[in-house]
Amino acid sequence: KQEVTQIPAALSVPEGENLVLNCSFTDSAIYNLQWFRQDPGKGLTSLLLIQSSQREQTSGRLNASLDKSSGRSTLYIAASQPGDSATYLCAVPGGGADGLTFGKGTHLIIQP
Amino acid sequence: NAGVTQTPKFQVLKTGQSMTLQCAQDMNHEYMSWYRQDPGMGLRLIHYSVGAGITDQGEVPNGYNVSRSTTEDFPLRLLSAAPSQTSVYFCASSPRLGGLLSILAKNIQYFGAGTRLSVL
Repeated sequence: KQEVTQIPAALSVPEGENLVLNCSFTDSAIYNLQWFRQDPGKGLTSLLLIQSSQREQTSGRLNASLDKSSGRSTLYIAASQPGDSATYLCAVPGGGADGLTFGKGTHLIIQP
Repeated sequence: NAGVTQTPKFQVLKTGQSMTLQCAQDMNHEYMSWYRQDPGMGLRLIHYSVGAGITDQGEVPNGYNVSRSTTEDFPLRLLSAAPSQTSVYFCASSPRLGGLLSILAKNIQYFGAGTRLSVL
């Protein structure tokens, strides 16, 4: 059974810092990996999707990398801003046809 | 473009009551699913559907029923609510391609805003 782990569970940093969120998965036979953002009381918003043939995907200040062989992905946030405060979730395909297996998330707080 | 719409946003039930959580999408997506999110557990798949008339169970299906009579709608029914079903419920949808193309597809999933359910 696929398991997804996210480290750290929570992170609080001053505004302007660059930071890295980590995601690991147990079954490397995945065809993509998604990073989502969840704001308090809201739904999930897809940030980046990396296909298995890619090693990196970038969107603005966000960069996600994927190393299938080691079962790891990282989300790099450059020049963090208070508006980046949210919970970040990593998910890989697992069960239920196109269903996803999620990590428990990293709760990020950017201090002004 | 409304995306994925869930109703109601909040609901309080008494143990034993039944109710239906509504989910509708206007993107003509074939794949729809329901997740529940609990503190310390992450999101877990309840039921899913790969098209109208086709549904199947996910990781935690007990106590829930689903049906898919149209492409747009995928309601989740609680037959007899229990306190253990207190949770936040999310509906999601995505396009689905068959065969080899699904391996290459960027099948980004779109989520609704959620329904917060309390069972007393």
